[in-house]
Amino acid sequence: EAQVTQNPRYLITVTGKKLTVTCSQNMNHEYMSWYRQDPGLGLRQIYYSMNVEVTDKGDVPEGYKVSRKEKRNFPLILESPSPNQTSLYFCASSSSMSSMGGELFFGEGSRLTVL
Amino acid sequence: KNEVEQSPQNLTAQEGEFITINCSYSVGISALHWLQQHPGGGIVSLFMLSSGKKKHGRLIATINIQEKHSSLHITASHPRDSAVYICAVRPQGAQKLVFGQGTRLTINP
Repeated sequence: EAQVTQNPRYLITVTGKKLTVTCSQNMNHEYMSWYRQDPGLGLRQIYYSMNVEVTDKGDVPEGYKVSRKEKRNFPLILESPSPNQTSLYFCASSSSMSSMGGELFFGEGSRLTVL
Repeated sequence: KNEVEQSPQNLTAQEGEFITINCSYSVGISALHWLQQHPGGGIVSLFMLSSGKKKHGRLIATINIQEKHSSLHITASHPRDSAVYICAVRPQGAQKLVFGQGTRLTINP
């Protein structure tokens, strides 16, 4: 079954404690991306990756890091989380983001609370 | 002004009604996506459009590139259609998506 898997689904942590949210897809997709969703602000892109070792900033990259060492994995790293990073996070993948692009597949979301 | 505007923001209808959700955007695009998010959070892709019209079951999506406008229609609406519907565009030359704020649809039995 084609899927994007995120872990953890729910996490409560404290300010400053490094954490990683993992994202894995089994569709051999080139494009992967992270979004955060906040009430009143909708979905906003954090980082994206066009392929292995190719990553770029989205609209709200501050406080986040990513890496793309393998095609299937695209972890989101919060080196020193702060309360303003409390949000619902989604990972997504697509076969391509070229001119025609492909269908988007989303993970189930990770609800993060930073105290 | 947001690059992607959806209307209405909230819509309540009775089961069986014909539903239309609109999306207007201000930039040239290479594709437009319609997404569905049910309570509980998961997001599902409904359509990806670059021109014309697509249909899946009771859902129909249209796009007018010249007018920078897309519509999502639901025929014979059902309570299980209750969800937030999100329009997202891929600006030309960009490798990212810009999202609308979403339309919260509630279908009452």
